[in-house]
Amino acid sequence: QKEVEQDPGPLSVPEGAIVSLNCTYSNSAFQYFMWYRQYSRKGPELLMYTYSSGNKEDGRFTAQVDKSSKYISLFIRDSQPSDSATYLCAIPRRSNYQLIWGAGTKLIIKP
Amino acid sequence: KAGVTQTPRYLIKTRGQQVTLSCSPISGHRSVSWYQQTPGQGLQFLFEYFSETQRNKGNFPGRFSGRQFSNSRSEMNVSTLELGDSALYLCASSFTTRDTEAFFGQGTRLTVV
Repeated sequence: QKEVEQDPGPLSVPEGAIVSLNCTYSNSAFQYFMWYRQYSRKGPELLMYTYSSGNKEDGRFTAQVDKSSKYISLFIRDSQPSDSATYLCAIPRRSNYQLIWGAGTKLIIKP
Repeated sequence: KAGVTQTPRYLIKTRGQQVTLSCSPISGHRSVSWYQQTPGQGLQFLFEYFSETQRNKGNFPGRFSGRQFSNSRSEMNVSTLELGDSALYLCASSFTTRDTEAFFGQGTRLTVV
C-alpha cells in the first residue's frame, strides 16, 4: 500500500462547478498536508497547506483535513478553465521532512 | 526575485550516454532537491543537498548522482542512460531541509532514444 493515494483522473467538469480533489494517507503521525498545482510543462507550485485537522480557505480554494479518516481534500469553488492543471497532494515525513507525493489528479475545466 | 532555474529545458540522448542537468536555486535558498516525474510513477524523490552535503537519498540506482556547489547551485548526473530514464527531472529549492515549502523549477525534459 502506498503511503499517499490519489486518483490520477482525469476529472472533467464544466466551468463554474465545485471541484473536489482527494487523497488518503496511511500514517496517522502525519501532521502537515500540502496541495501543489502543476500546469502543463511547468514545475509544481504550492497552492495551500494545512496543519493537523480542520479547514483552511484561500479565495476559491478550501483545504480540508480529516485525520480520523486519514483523508484530505481540496475544494475549488466557481471553477475556471484556468484551474485546469494537475493537482498533487504532498505530505512531509516527520523524520526528515522529505515530501511524499500523491500521483496527482489531472483536472479539466470545460468552458 | 528570480525563481529556480533549470538548464537545459529539453535534452535528447541515446542509450549508454551520460547526462548532466543543472539547477540554480532561489537566492538565499540552501536546500536543493531533485525529483523524477513520469506518467506511470509520478513524482519520485532522487536526493536532497544542503550546504554541499547530501542529506537524503531516494531509492534510485547508483547511476544517478548529484552534487551541490558552495553557491548552492546543484547538478545531477545520470550515467549509462536507459530508455526508462526518459522523464521530467525537477529541481526544488528551499531555505533549509526543514522548510516544507519547496519552490520548483520548470524541469528538464530528458528523452533517451
